[in-house]
Amino acid sequence: AQSVTQLGSHVSVSEGALVLLRCNYSSSVPPYLFWYVQYPNQGLQLLLKYTTGATLVKGINGFEAEFKKSETSFHLTKPSAHMSDAAEYFCAVSANTGGFKTIFGAGTRLFVKA
Amino acid sequence: DTGVSQDPRHKITKRGQNVTFRCDPISEHNRLYWYRQTLGQGPEFLTYFQNEAQLEKSRLLSDRFSAERPKGSFSTLEIQRTEQGDSAMYLCASSLPLSKAYSNQPQHFGDGTRLSIL
Repeated sequence: AQSVTQLGSHVSVSEGALVLLRCNYSSSVPPYLFWYVQYPNQGLQLLLKYTTGATLVKGINGFEAEFKKSETSFHLTKPSAHMSDAAEYFCAVSANTGGFKTIFGAGTRLFVKA
Repeated sequence: DTGVSQDPRHKITKRGQNVTFRCDPISEHNRLYWYRQTLGQGPEFLTYFQNEAQLEKSRLLSDRFSAERPKGSFSTLEIQRTEQGDSAMYLCASSLPLSKAYSNQPQHFGDGTRLSIL
């Protein structure tokens, strides 16, 4: 079975500061990992995904994440926060265990201060 | 590029009434998923289809819930005898078939249907 833990339900940063959103996963088989962003009253939009290969994954809007198997982590970073980055971010895991059901974390709300 | 479309966007109904939501996936996507999202939580898996076949159902999907995808295109999610606890955002997502992918394909989400039970 798979599970996801997002550390910190709320993160606040200043505009221009580093963004770091933490995600740890649990999976009995090699996982596929995703980060999604959700703006108010909208669905989820894919930021980036890790499947196999390079462990540092670059996504849209300047975000990137690094898969660290030894730490079972997939933290999301962005060097410089922008006001438009304020949203809810979800880490998700899926795996080939007879189906690719995706399990989502509880989410981290990112606040960006001017 | 047409994304995943959900209708209605909002539904307000009285407890005990039946409601039905519709999801139109991206046309070439043969996998379709339903999720429920409550305030402050991530989406919770309800069920998914590959073409018209419903392959998995969560234990969250009580016997009051039924989902169909009769022609392998659009899908409906019906909730009978609604309860207060059914108030949530219902999200639909679709993805490419695994046979055309080297790896798991990400899901593309609609904007959801927000259900409020009075």
